[in-house]
Amino acid sequence: GQNIDQPTEMTATEGAIVQINCTYQTSGFNGLFWYQQHAGEAPTFLSYNVLDGLEEKGRFSSFLSRSKGYSYLLLKELQMKDSASYLCAVRDSNYQLIWGAGTKLIIKP
Amino acid sequence: IAGITQAPTSQILAAGRRMTLRCTQDMRHNAMYWYRQDLGLGLRLIHYSNTAGTTGKGEVPDGYSVSRANTDDFPLTLASAVPSQTSVYFCASSATNTGELFFGEGSRLTVL
Repeated sequence: GQNIDQPTEMTATEGAIVQINCTYQTSGFNGLFWYQQHAGEAPTFLSYNVLDGLEEKGRFSSFLSRSKGYSYLLLKELQMKDSASYLCAVRDSNYQLIWGAGTKLIIKP
Repeated sequence: IAGITQAPTSQILAAGRRMTLRCTQDMRHNAMYWYRQDLGLGLRLIHYSNTAGTTGKGEVPDGYSVSRANTDDFPLTLASAVPSQTSVYFCASSATNTGELFFGEGSRLTVL
């Protein structure tokens, strides 16, 4: 079966750095997405990786290793507004997105 | 720019009733999707449409139907609602079936 694993919840301090991991087992691979979802709101796109390596976008970076079935989202200089759930999703061989359950990130002052 | 509009934002209905959730996008995206989101679970695909006039079944299609008469609209119908269909429903669209998804604000449905 297809599976996306990510931690259920993480806590970090304002101003610090946090890494949210995602491991996947899917039938084929056509890209990995990270989305941010604030409570009660819609998910919004953060990043996309299809090749191995690090993609940097401001305070957020996303890394992919296809051979290990592994990705992480790195958030730097954490702000209180970064408190949200972070969703990892993999596009499989049929171009369907398989979603993880999300990681709830709690930022403390 | 509205993006994706869903209606209603929230609804309570009795089991056995028919319900249609509306979804309209103004981005001229070809692909549209309906997901449900339940606590502790990832987004689960109900139905999708890669282009106007075509639809496909997702991971959890039973009890739901969709239509795609034109590019902009993608309504989701529950023919006879059951309590297990209590969920938050998100409509999404993408320019192609490989691109990023843009989500509507969600419709919170409670079936009693």
